[in-house]
Amino acid sequence: GNSVTQMEGPVTLSEEAFLTINCTYTATGYPSLFWYVQYPGEGLQLLLKATKADDKGSNKGFEATYRKETTSFHLEKGSVQVSDSAVYFCALTIPGASGSARQLTFGSGTQLTVLP
Amino acid sequence: NAGVTQTPKFRVLKTGQSMTLLCAQDMNHEYMYWYRQDPGMGLRLIHYSVGEGTTAKGEVPDGYNVSRLKKQNFLLGLESAAPSQTSVYFCASSRGTGGGTNEKLFFGSGTQLSVL
Repeated sequence: GNSVTQMEGPVTLSEEAFLTINCTYTATGYPSLFWYVQYPGEGLQLLLKATKADDKGSNKGFEATYRKETTSFHLEKGSVQVSDSAVYFCALTIPGASGSARQLTFGSGTQLTVLP
Repeated sequence: NAGVTQTPKFRVLKTGQSMTLLCAQDMNHEYMYWYRQDPGMGLRLIHYSVGEGTTAKGEVPDGYNVSRLKKQNFLLGLESAAPSQTSVYFCASSRGTGGGTNEKLFFGSGTQLSVL
């Protein structure tokens, strides 16, 4: 089946530090890849996505590149802010699949805390 | 902009009690979903619906029932609650399939359920 593995947290950084959150996947087809973010007390929001190999998704200073050769989609940001403190989820879907297999499969989430 | 609204936000049940979680969306979305979020396990899909009057099983459907009598509402029922159902429940909706490359999920803020 499909699965997503994220680096375990929590991750604690100082403001303006560089962020990397690792995400690797296994999939039975050609997945689309996503990062969702969950701020305290809220539901998840789509942060960025990539739909084919070598695509780079970007939003709010965050970037992730779809690496088919390493089955990875690592999230990066050059300079984090306190407001980036949240839980980050990597996810995938198989657009060509049917039924529940076509729905999003999430990783376990990585808690990020940014200190001032 | 209400988006996706879940009620209640918190609930405590005793083993064997029943309850219904309500999800309402005002975006005229076709697809709706119920997920549960457990520590270290990310989000897992319980049931979903591809349109009014339809429901389908997700990854962890046992012990839950759902109904989509109106397009804007998606109800999640627990007929006989068990401690293993202690979790945070999220509802989401999307214009089309959440697995599609051009769609994204909109999440509610969650329901914290404890079963004693």
